[in-house]
Amino acid sequence: GDSVTQMEGPVTLSEEAFLTINCTYTATGYPSLFWYVQYPGEGLQLLLKATKADDKGSNKGFEATYRKETTSFHLEKGSVQVSDSAVYFCALKNFGNEKLTFGTGTRLTIIP
Amino acid sequence: DSGVTQTPKHLITATGQRVTLRCSPRSGDLSVYWYQQSLDQGLQFLIQYYNGEERAKGNILERFSAQQFPDLHSELNLSSLELGDSALYFCASSAARPLGYGYTFGSGTRLTVV
Repeated sequence: GDSVTQMEGPVTLSEEAFLTINCTYTATGYPSLFWYVQYPGEGLQLLLKATKADDKGSNKGFEATYRKETTSFHLEKGSVQVSDSAVYFCALKNFGNEKLTFGTGTRLTIIP
Repeated sequence: DSGVTQTPKHLITATGQRVTLRCSPRSGDLSVYWYQQSLDQGLQFLIQYYNGEERAKGNILERFSAQQFPDLHSELNLSSLELGDSALYFCASSAARPLGYGYTFGSGTRLTVV
């Protein structure tokens, strides 16, 4: 079945550091890929998405590129802020299945 | 405000009891999904309803049940509660079908079983 593997956390970075959170997936066909963010005490919010190979999703300075050859969708940000502290989830949705399959989440803490 | 409303926000109850969690989807969304988030299990898909009918089932215990009403709101019923059922329960909704659509999540109900 479909699955998502995320970089183990927690991740702690200094403000303005470069961020990468790795995400790889296993799925048949051509799934859509998503990154969700969960701020403390809140629900999950869609951060960005990509629906086909080589698509780049971007939002709030975050980017991720759909790499079919490596089955990856790594999340990157060039300069993180304290306000980016949250839990980040990678997810996929595959054709014929409306369910979102989530990774385990990566807790990110940014220190000033 | 995401447009998905979950009530109550917090619930504390004793083992063996039964509770009902409520979710109102975003306007126009026909699909409702329930997820359980616990520290040790991450986000676990429980069940999906589409326009009143059960569409998909995940790791939902037999003690749990759900339904979606004609006005599209959904309820998740948890019975014979155990300590291990303590978790955040999220509802999400989505527009029908398109693969590229993600979900819109509610802010969750935190259930504590004592």
